[in-house]
Amino acid sequence: EAQVTQNPRYLITVTGKKLTVTCSQNMNHEYMSWYRQDPGLGLRQIYYSMNVEVTDKGDVPEGYKVSRKEKRNFPLILESPSPNQTSLYFCASGPRGGEAFFGQGTRLTVV
Amino acid sequence: AQSVTQLDSQVPVFEEAPVELRCNYSSSVSVYLFWYVQYPNQGLQLLLKYLSGSTLVKGINGFEAEFNKSQTSFHLRKPSVHISDTAEYFCAVSPQYNAGGTSYGKLTFGQGTILTVHP
Repeated sequence: EAQVTQNPRYLITVTGKKLTVTCSQNMNHEYMSWYRQDPGLGLRQIYYSMNVEVTDKGDVPEGYKVSRKEKRNFPLILESPSPNQTSLYFCASGPRGGEAFFGQGTRLTVV
Repeated sequence: AQSVTQLDSQVPVFEEAPVELRCNYSSSVSVYLFWYVQYPNQGLQLLLKYLSGSTLVKGINGFEAEFNKSQTSFHLRKPSVHISDTAEYFCAVSPQYNAGGTSYGKLTFGQGTILTVHP
């Protein structure tokens, strides 16, 4: 089944404790991206990648890191999480010039 | 740079009535346009997309949208809604190519419209 898989689905952590949210796609898509969704703000792009070893900042990259060492994986890293990073996070992948396919989301709470 | 404005944050409607969700955008380059739907506690699912060709685009679940380049709009419509259409709807654009600092692949979303269908 074609899908984008994020883990974990739910995460509660403390301020400053490094964490990684994994994202994997099985559709051989070149394009992958991370978004955060906050009430009233819609989805905002954090980082995106057009291919292996090629990443670029989205609208809200501060406090986040990404890497694209393999085509299928695009982990999101929070080196020192803060409460303002409490949000719902989505990973997406897609072909060039086409639509994005989304994962089920990761609800992160930083206390 | 790109921006997307969804003109209504909430749209209540009765079952079997028609509905229109409005979306305007601005961009310095030509764009692809999308509508996504998000049901409660789920990820986003593509409803329809405009890449090129006919400006009237048909999607899943009976939805359609019309691309109006002169008005930079991409409004979503359905002639008769069902209770199951209750969800949040997002309009999104992405540039067709790299130009003027706008990177191909940068998908920009509107703030979302919550459609509530009442019996």
